[in-house]
Amino acid sequence: GAVVSQHPSRVICKSGTSVKIECRSLDFQATTMFWYRQFPKQSLMLMATSNEGSKATYEQGVEKDKFLINHASLTLSTLTVTSAHPEDSSFYICSARVVGTETQYFGPGTRLLVL
Amino acid sequence: KQEVTQIPAALSVPEGENLVLNCSFTDSAIYNLQWFRQDPGKGLTSLLLIQSSQREQTSGRLNASLDKSSGRSTLYIAASQPGDSATYLCAVKPWDAGKSTFGDGTTLTVKP
Repeated sequence: GAVVSQHPSRVICKSGTSVKIECRSLDFQATTMFWYRQFPKQSLMLMATSNEGSKATYEQGVEKDKFLINHASLTLSTLTVTSAHPEDSSFYICSARVVGTETQYFGPGTRLLVL
Repeated sequence: KQEVTQIPAALSVPEGENLVLNCSFTDSAIYNLQWFRQDPGKGLTSLLLIQSSQREQTSGRLNASLDKSSGRSTLYIAASQPGDSATYLCAVKPWDAGKSTFGDGTTLTVKP
């Protein structure tokens, strides 16, 4: 079955540093990947839509200069949280849409803790 | 303003030795103190967390102590191994659970 991986699975960093999270589709190509954020006891919130070879589309209220997205290939999208602050601590999840379908597969998530 | 100091900055020991890393802080009004390990190019790995009301925490070969009144914490590593080689950081979270203040770290090298 289709598998989406995320790396790292959890990361702790100092306030002010930048953190990169990778999302890979392991056995299929994905022209579109989605990045979500989930705060404790809240539902997933879509942050941005990442399209291979073009700029990401950000949801309202999400700072594109803070959350840098690069979708360099059909199997890899990266989310970089720049100058992270404690309020950025959250669970970040990506999903990848199979080319030519509406089917999405979710990654296992990355837990970010900013101290 | 909280200041956190770690001494020594670097330490090299032969395998099997017991060792102590020191962390001192200037403001005793803390919420907790945490010890981390950082390997090159990686994020921080939490080792031990000591709440303000606690005196020590133990995990395997690691023991961390906290003396708030003197502004000191120590990380004791028993029977050191080459795999313990890393940079060890202590971080002090203030009483209001806001942003932590980190020390500069102690880089430990354990020689086989």
